[in-house]
Amino acid sequence: DVKVTQSSRYLVKRTGEKVFLECVQDMDHENMFWYRQDPGLGLRLIYFSYDVKMKEKGDIPEGYSVSREKKERFSLILESASTNQTSMYLCASRRTSGKSDTQYFGPGTRLTVL
Amino acid sequence: TQLLEQSPQFLSIQEGENLTVYCNSSSVFSSLQWYRQEPGEGPVLLVTVVTGGEVKKLKRLTFQFGDARKDSSLHITAAQPGDTGLYLCAVKGGSNYKLTFGKGTLLTVNP
Repeated sequence: DVKVTQSSRYLVKRTGEKVFLECVQDMDHENMFWYRQDPGLGLRLIYFSYDVKMKEKGDIPEGYSVSREKKERFSLILESASTNQTSMYLCASRRTSGKSDTQYFGPGTRLTVL
Repeated sequence: TQLLEQSPQFLSIQEGENLTVYCNSSSVFSSLQWYRQEPGEGPVLLVTVVTGGEVKKLKRLTFQFGDARKDSSLHITAAQPGDTGLYLCAVKGGSNYKLTFGKGTLLTVNP
């Protein structure tokens, strides 16, 4: 079974703090993703990485950065947390097979910025 | 404009009822996926449909891809409380790596 784990299920931080969200997958997938999920807005892609040290901006990258030093680990960094970054953050890992793509998600980190 | 429109946004039914939720677009897709997200968890892939008109069954869940590959439906027969969750449809986005998700249908099945 593919497993995607995220470092914390719940996190509370203060405005201006630097925040690290860690994601680890155990299936040697090349592609990894960070989304945020907000009521009424659905899942929005922040950043993705198609291979080690490779990254590409998603739809809402402002205020975030990422790091992919090892294949299994993809980190999301909030350089200076703000209250509008309070959200559910979901990491995913991707397997490609023919026409179909499967993304495997972690359980999510619910971040509250006070 | 949303690439994928899901309806209804919310659905609350009693155990044993049948229901259908929809995923619509004006664009044509090579494939479409359905995910279910249970409360407090990440989404989990249920099915991928790739052929226009295709019907796939997963126990009490029936998925259909429209003939023109622009839309899809998910029908649940005799819903159970364990079916409660957010149902998301998704298609490949602007690049080969990305998926674009609909906003989802939040289903609550009451015992």
